Amino acid sequence: GAVVSQHPSRVICKSGTSVKIECRSLDFQATTMFWYRQFPKKSLMLMATSNEGSKATYEQGVEKDKFLINHASLTLSTLTVTSAHPEDSSFYICSARDQWKNTEAFFGQGTRLTVV
Amino acid sequence: AQKVTQAQTEISVVEKEDVTLDCVYETRDTTYYLFWYKQPPSGELVFLIRRNSFDEQNEISGRYSWNFQKSTSSFNFTITASQVVDSAVYFCALSEPRTYKYIFGTGTRLKVLA
Repeated sequence: GAVVSQHPSRVICKSGTSVKIECRSLDFQATTMFWYRQFPKKSLMLMATSNEGSKATYEQGVEKDKFLINHASLTLSTLTVTSAHPEDSSFYICSARDQWKNTEAFFGQGTRLTVV
Repeated sequence: AQKVTQAQTEISVVEKEDVTLDCVYETRDTTYYLFWYKQPPSGELVFLIRRNSFDEQNEISGRYSWNFQKSTSSFNFTITASQVVDSAVYFCALSEPRTYKYIFGTGTRLKVLA
């Protein structure tokens, strides 16, 4: 089956620093990847759609300068949380769409970010 | 607008009981996918089932079964003879056919007590 690897699985950073989260499709090419955020005991909310070779599309209310997304290759998208603050602490999860299979997107394992 | 509603926030059952998790969706698309995912405490999403909008057949997989009814826009999930390992948060999701964005319900936390 299709595998999406997300790294790191957990990260603790100091307030004011930036942290990068990677999302890789290991055995397929993903022209499109998605980034979701999940607050504790809440649902997953789509933050942005990452398109290979072009700018990401952000959902309403998501600060693009705060959450930088880069999708430089068909297998890698990165989410950088810039100048992190405690309110950015959350569970971030990516998904990737196999460009040859129009059925579903595949999810990474998620990254638990804690900003102290 | 697309929306997924999981009215049950939390359900507690005793082991071996059957339990049904409800999911109601809204969409204007005629083609769409519905999903169920399990999220254990570790956080990863475990894929359970995908159903496309043209396939209303019910599905059974071991102790799991799904009832898809377009007439009521529902896609309910039943666990038969529940086990403690079934304890998790379960999400129902709707996928847009062109963008593959997922719209998730708010989740149902299932607690199976020994």
